[in-house]
Amino acid sequence: AQSVTQPDIHITVSEGASLELRCNYSYGATPYLFWYVQSPGQGLQLLLKYFSGDTLVQGIKGFEAEFKRSQSSFNLRKPSVHWSDAAEYFCAPGGGADGLTFGKGTHLIIQP
Amino acid sequence: GAGVSQSPSNKVTEKGKDVELRCDPISGHTALYWYRQSLGQGLEFLIYFQGNSAPDKSGLPSDRFSAERTGGSVSTLTIQRTQQEDSAVYLCASSLLSGAGGGDTQYFGPGTRLTVL
Repeated sequence: AQSVTQPDIHITVSEGASLELRCNYSYGATPYLFWYVQSPGQGLQLLLKYFSGDTLVQGIKGFEAEFKRSQSSFNLRKPSVHWSDAAEYFCAPGGGADGLTFGKGTHLIIQP
Repeated sequence: GAGVSQSPSNKVTEKGKDVELRCDPISGHTALYWYRQSLGQGLEFLIYFQGNSAPDKSGLPSDRFSAERTGGSVSTLTIQRTQQEDSAVYLCASSLLSGAGGGDTQYFGPGTRLTVL
């Protein structure tokens, strides 16, 4: 069965510090991979996506993610977080007729 | 251009009543998706429409749930005989192309918050 794991429910980082959010998936084949962000009272916004090719993907707001086939991982990173990055982050493999399979999400808290 | 819109934004209903939730996708998008977001279950995929094709209903949580898409555009998600466990935020998304293999970016609406008393 298709599944995705975001092992960190909450992460707290200081403003200006680096960030890495973990995502592991289990699929029959390498799926399409997405990261979405949901700010309080806002809808889901796409940060970045991976289809094929370069394993390091650049997204909006200074985010990037690296696909590692051997580890079935697609971790999200940002070199320096800003207070406005506080939000819920979802990793989501899949798409198409089967829809996206969302992880449980990681709640990011930014400390001043 | 306009994004995905959903109405109503909030709906409070009594247990046992029927509700209809509406989604207007981005103009020109052929694929439309419904998801449900709840505290206990997270984000769950419910159903997918590609154009006017009949959808796969296997992801709907029970036979009280149904969905239709008219003219390949607007979609309505109907919940009959609502139960308290149906309380959630119902999200709609659309994408431009979306063959069955996926990969297209899904653009999400703001959601409808359903509360069943």
